[in-house]
Amino acid sequence: DQQVKQNSPSLSVQEGRISILNCDYTNSMFDYFLWYKKYPAEGPTFLISISSIKDKNEDGRFTVFLNKSAKHLSLHIVPSQPGDSAVYFCAEEGGSEKLVFGKGTKLTVNP
Amino acid sequence: GAGVSQSPSNKVTEKGKDVELRCDPISGHTALYWYRQSLGQGLEFLIYFQGNSAPDKSGLPSDRFSAERTGGSVSTLTIQRTQQEDSAVYLCASTLTASGANVLTFGAGSRLTVL
Repeated sequence: DQQVKQNSPSLSVQEGRISILNCDYTNSMFDYFLWYKKYPAEGPTFLISISSIKDKNEDGRFTVFLNKSAKHLSLHIVPSQPGDSAVYFCAEEGGSEKLVFGKGTKLTVNP
Repeated sequence: GAGVSQSPSNKVTEKGKDVELRCDPISGHTALYWYRQSLGQGLEFLIYFQGNSAPDKSGLPSDRFSAERTGGSVSTLTIQRTQQEDSAVYLCASTLTASGANVLTFGAGSRLTVL
């Protein structure tokens, strides 16, 4: 059973608007969630993380929200830019040293 | 080096052949990971090294897959008797174990195509 689920395989938004990427999880015993961004033919790059003891973490245009009661987190990008077009993965760090990744959401920001 | 280096970047092989994929992590990074991404799938964990030992190899799909790390640095992932379902991008990542979130730095990957 998949521990980390990204139910939307793709998302398309207009430049300047908000992009909201969602992630659901099943394991309540985690330390951090991380978001990675991946461009074609490149490795994933770290974007932002959130600790299990927080409900929000902000870094510039990127904000991650954590709702522990709903076992849900989301990544908000405001304002969205064409260069944000990529595949976004959420990943759980939960007690073991490995990260468990979702299947990713492909974001397209249209000029 | 400045980043995680993987070679080859592309490998095309015939079914049944053995392949070796190499990862050169960031200097000083103690932990090294192998993941793979098959077409349309997420990042699937394969194996994790802390120094030269592998505390977690639970993600290796079969006994045709093996990996080693020597000198606490370079790692090699070996796939014996390759099958078409082994076709994927194999990603290596490294990290310096520390407090806080375990931020992995990934290489660009080795794309394996098994004909």
